[in-house]
Amino acid sequence: GDSVTQMEGPVTLSEEAFLTINCTYTATGYPSLFWYVQYPGEGLQLLLKATKADDKGSNKGFEATYRKETTSFHLEKGSVQVSDSAVYFCALRNAGNMLTFGGGTRLMVKP
Amino acid sequence: GAVVSQHPSRVICKSGTSVKIECRSLDFQATTMFWYRQFPKQSLMLMATSNEGSKATYEQGVEKDKFLINHASLTLSTLTVTSAHPEDSSFYICSARDHWGTSGGLSTNEQFFGPGTRLTVL
Repeated sequence: GDSVTQMEGPVTLSEEAFLTINCTYTATGYPSLFWYVQYPGEGLQLLLKATKADDKGSNKGFEATYRKETTSFHLEKGSVQVSDSAVYFCALRNAGNMLTFGGGTRLMVKP
Repeated sequence: GAVVSQHPSRVICKSGTSVKIECRSLDFQATTMFWYRQFPKQSLMLMATSNEGSKATYEQGVEKDKFLINHASLTLSTLTVTSAHPEDSSFYICSARDHWGTSGGLSTNEQFFGPGTRLTVL
């Protein structure tokens, strides 16, 4: 079945540092890929998405590129802020329109 | 943008009682809603898929008689945890799928998530 694997956290960075959160997936067919963010005590918010190979999703300074050859969708940001502290979930959506989530990665940004 | 609300946001109940959680799509029609469960510091686990006007589809291992789901309208789904026990304590999150793209979201079929309901069973 489909699965998503992301690096375990927590990831602790200083403000303005570069961020990478790795995500790889296993799926049949051609899934769409997503990154969601969850702030403390809240639900999930869609951060960005990509629907086909080589697509780059971007939003609020975050980027991720759909790499079919490596089945990856790594999340990057050039300069993180304290307000980016949250849990980040990588997910895929298959042809059946069901979302499969990775385990989540907690990001802590210190001033 | 599309907004999904959940009520209540927090609930504490005694063991053996039933708790109802509401999930509403506020500005779009959702033919399908999903219920997830999230344990502390873990990912979301899909419990069931709720389709308006029909029976919910439960994931393997989820007791349908314990977690009753009703999706009576295009904007409301409810999850009732019957005879709750402490092991049912968790964060329950719903999502609603914007099938028709009426919300102005990134694309049709996108899921919008509610803020979650924290259930504590004493």
